Amino acid sequence: AQRVTQPEKLLSVFKGAPVELKCNYSYSGSPELFWYVQYSRQRLQLLLRHISRESIKGFTADLNKGETSFHLKKPFAQEEDSAMYYCALLISNFGNEKLTFGTGTRLTIIP
Amino acid sequence: DTEVTQTPKHLVMGMTNKKSLKCEQHMGHRAMYWYKQKAKKPPELMFVYSYEKLSINESVPSRFSPECPNSSLLNLHLHALQPEDSALYLCASSQIPARDRRYEQYFGPGTRLTVT
Repeated sequence: AQRVTQPEKLLSVFKGAPVELKCNYSYSGSPELFWYVQYSRQRLQLLLRHISRESIKGFTADLNKGETSFHLKKPFAQEEDSAMYYCALLISNFGNEKLTFGTGTRLTIIP
Repeated sequence: DTEVTQTPKHLVMGMTNKKSLKCEQHMGHRAMYWYKQKAKKPPELMFVYSYEKLSINESVPSRFSPECPNSSLLNLHLHALQPEDSALYLCASSQIPARDRRYEQYFGPGTRLTVT
């Protein structure tokens, strides 16, 4: 069965320091992975998807199939990065899509 | 219009009440979703509608009854709920996936439901 693991529930980082939020997945097929973010009092929104290989708000994430990981990284943390981050695995089955979320990591940037 | 809207924002209902949650999008998306999110937990998929037809039901109890009356609207009818059903209910929409293309899901702000 598919699974997404985010080992850190809470992560505190000083402003200007590098950030890495870990995500590991378990899936026998070809994975499609996303990072979603939820800022305080805002809706859940897409931050990154592995297939686009772009940098959003300074964040990047690389899919490592050998390690089954999709860690989220940013070289210099900013205060506005404080939020809840969810890694999610998308599985398609005969045209039906199912998004499975990890348990989330609450990132706090210390000024 | 690139938003998913949900009404009401908050709902308090008794265990014998019947109520409905509403979700609307005007992005032309033909896939719509209901998720349940308990406090400090990730969203969990409940239902998926594809072209206004129910395509996935994640073994949700029958006291939750989804309905997709047209391509822009998604409802969740609630009846005889239990206190443990109290949660944030999220609606999302996306384009229908193609064979070699997947699309992001856009989420609404949610309805916070309290069952007393």
